[in-house]
Amino acid sequence: GAVVSQHPSWVICKSGTSVKIECRSLDFQATTMFWYRQFPKQSLMLMATSNEGSKATYEQGVEKDKFLINHASLTLSTLTVTSAHPEDSSFYICSASIGGAISDGYTFGSGTRLTVV
Amino acid sequence: GQNIDQPTEMTATEGAIVQINCTYQTSGFNGLFWYQQHAGEAPTFLSYNVLDGLEEKGRFSSFLSRSKGYSYLLLKELQMKDSASYLCADMDSNYQLIWGAGTKLIIKP
Repeated sequence: GAVVSQHPSWVICKSGTSVKIECRSLDFQATTMFWYRQFPKQSLMLMATSNEGSKATYEQGVEKDKFLINHASLTLSTLTVTSAHPEDSSFYICSASIGGAISDGYTFGSGTRLTVV
Repeated sequence: GQNIDQPTEMTATEGAIVQINCTYQTSGFNGLFWYQQHAGEAPTFLSYNVLDGLEEKGRFSSFLSRSKGYSYLLLKELQMKDSASYLCADMDSNYQLIWGAGTKLIIKP
């Protein structure tokens, strides 16, 4: 089946540093990649939608200069958390549509647990 | 406005049946998804309903009533590994997924 490889699985960084998270579609082309953030015991919250070769669309309240998204190819999208602070600690997950049919659902990366100390 | 409601937590017994309900209110509708999410892991796709009725897939079935803005996920022959959060999500007119907060299902022996 369709697989999205996400890494790192977890990362601990110091406050003020930047962290890059990568998502690669291994056996399909992901024209669109969705980036989510999930705090403990809360729902998935869409941060932004990235389309290959164009600028990402950010949800209201998400700082585009802080969460840099690059979708340079059909198989790779990256999220960079710049100048990370403890409140950015969360579970970050990417997701892509598998194919042409909505009924195929969306496949998710394995997630990245970010802890900022 | 857009809103997804599902119970926060449910408990059931191994081998039994459990029904997890979800109600939604959206501007436009393009289908209802159910996902399973184990703690610390990414969600995995379970089902998609766009027409009214019951879709059966092994031990899991999903039901949709568009007129009532209502769906449920039915899990039969519960196993301990079914302990997880179950996320309801509907796709709005912009083909964007709107997620519920998830129902934590606890299975007891």
